Amino acid sequence: DADVTQTPRNRITKTGKRIMLECSQTKGHDRMYWYRQDPGLGLRLIYYSFDVKDINKGEISDGYSVSRQAQAKFSLSLESAIPNQTALYFCATSGLAGQAYNEQFFGPGTRLTVL
Amino acid sequence: SQQGEEDPQALSIQEGENATMNCSYKTSINNLQWYRQNSGRGLVHLILIRSNEREKHSGRLRVTLDTSKKSSSLLITASRAADTASYFCATDRTSGSRLTFGEGTQLTVNP
Repeated sequence: DADVTQTPRNRITKTGKRIMLECSQTKGHDRMYWYRQDPGLGLRLIYYSFDVKDINKGEISDGYSVSRQAQAKFSLSLESAIPNQTALYFCATSGLAGQAYNEQFFGPGTRLTVL
Repeated sequence: SQQGEEDPQALSIQEGENATMNCSYKTSINNLQWYRQNSGRGLVHLILIRSNEREKHSGRLRVTLDTSKKSSSLLITASRAADTASYFCATDRTSGSRLTFGEGTQLTVNP
C-alpha cells in the first residue's frame, strides 16, 4: 500500500460548491503539507501542519481551509470553489521527531477541475 | 513568489548524454533538495545537500551547492529514456520546516 494516499484522485465540480480533499499517511510523520501545482509551474504551499494542534498558512491560503483530524490525516477544503482553483493538488509528509533534515514524501495528487 | 529559479526550463538530450540543470535561490538556506516528477504524478525525492556541503553523489546523480552564489546544479550522467521527467529544486530555510520549490526543468531523453 502507498505510504501517502489522496482521495479523490480526480474531481470535477462547479463554481460555488464546497469540496474536500483528503490525505492519509502511514509513515508516522508529524508534518503534513498541502500544495497546488498549476500547469508548467512548480508547487506552491497552501497550508502545513507540524502536529495535530499546529496549523500554518502557506503562501496561497486564501480560499482554502484545512483540518488535521489525526496525526495521519490532513484534509483540505475549498469552501466555495472558483475556476482559478483548477489545479493539481498534492499532499506531502515529512519529519520524524529529532530528525534534523527532512525530505518530503508526496501523495499521487488530486486533479481538481472547477467549471 | 518562488524562492528558486531553474535553468533551463526545458532540456532535450540523447540517451547516454549527461544532463545538467541549475537552480538559483534568493535567501540563505539550511539545505537544498532535488525532486523528480513524472508527468502528472507526485514528486519523488532524489537528493538533499546541506548548506555546509559542496558536493554530493547518489548513483548517477551529482549535486553541487555554492552558497556564495546561491546556486545549485544537478548532473545526471549517462542519461536514459526513463530519466524523462520534470526536475525541481526546493530550498529549506530552517531545517525541515517548509520547502519552497522552483518552477522546474523539463528533461526529455530521446532513445
